[in-house]
Amino acid sequence: DAGVIQSPRHEVTEMGQEVTLRCKPISGHNSLFWYRQTMMRGLELLIYFNNNVPIDDSGMPEDRFSAKMPNASFSTLKIQPSEPRDSAVYFCASSKKTGRQAAYEQYFGPGTRLTVT
Amino acid sequence: GESVGLHLPTLSVQEGDNSIINCAYSNSASDYFIWYKQESGKGPQFIIDIRSNMDKRQGQRVTVLLNKTVKHLSLQIAATQPGDSAVYFCAEVGGSQGNLIFGKGTKLSVKP
Repeated sequence: DAGVIQSPRHEVTEMGQEVTLRCKPISGHNSLFWYRQTMMRGLELLIYFNNNVPIDDSGMPEDRFSAKMPNASFSTLKIQPSEPRDSAVYFCASSKKTGRQAAYEQYFGPGTRLTVT
Repeated sequence: GESVGLHLPTLSVQEGDNSIINCAYSNSASDYFIWYKQESGKGPQFIIDIRSNMDKRQGQRVTVLLNKTVKHLSLQIAATQPGDSAVYFCAEVGGSQGNLIFGKGTKLSVKP
């Protein structure tokens, strides 16, 4: 099993540009999570999908952030327009389980390091 | 690799010694806790979990202790090895959807 796949691994962009981060969950998993990791705030949940449907997006910072999951094997996190304070490592995680049990068993991808200048 | 924090609490131990990493959690209603290990350039990796109806759980070389009275978790690593060098996070499961709430992390450095 390849595990959770994220691309790109590194992204450097200028303020104001659109950024799209991609995630392929583990095959057969039903839940997908996007997290952001910064020095100041640590690891924070941004949004959570269950069977491709967004369940909880309360962690999405503002309207500049959007996430989609068009099918069970692909999700995107988009930032438009990007700002320097969006610089962070963004992780995608997936779980075979749904609902509360999804928290018990999450597999994380390697992350995308985003730098906005 | 990915930098997960330049200002994390750091624990430095000698190879072969035991390590104890501590964590305070926030929600007294949390009923499930997980320890994760994050190596440089990688995502968090599950180590061990514990439910709130338990005080102690043992794995291979690792033990988690839970003190609900003071909302404190600890991770004990026996015979620490260089490969244990990483940042360790505790996480609590909260809310009806079971969101993972991560602590700030502790960086473990193992000296050969």
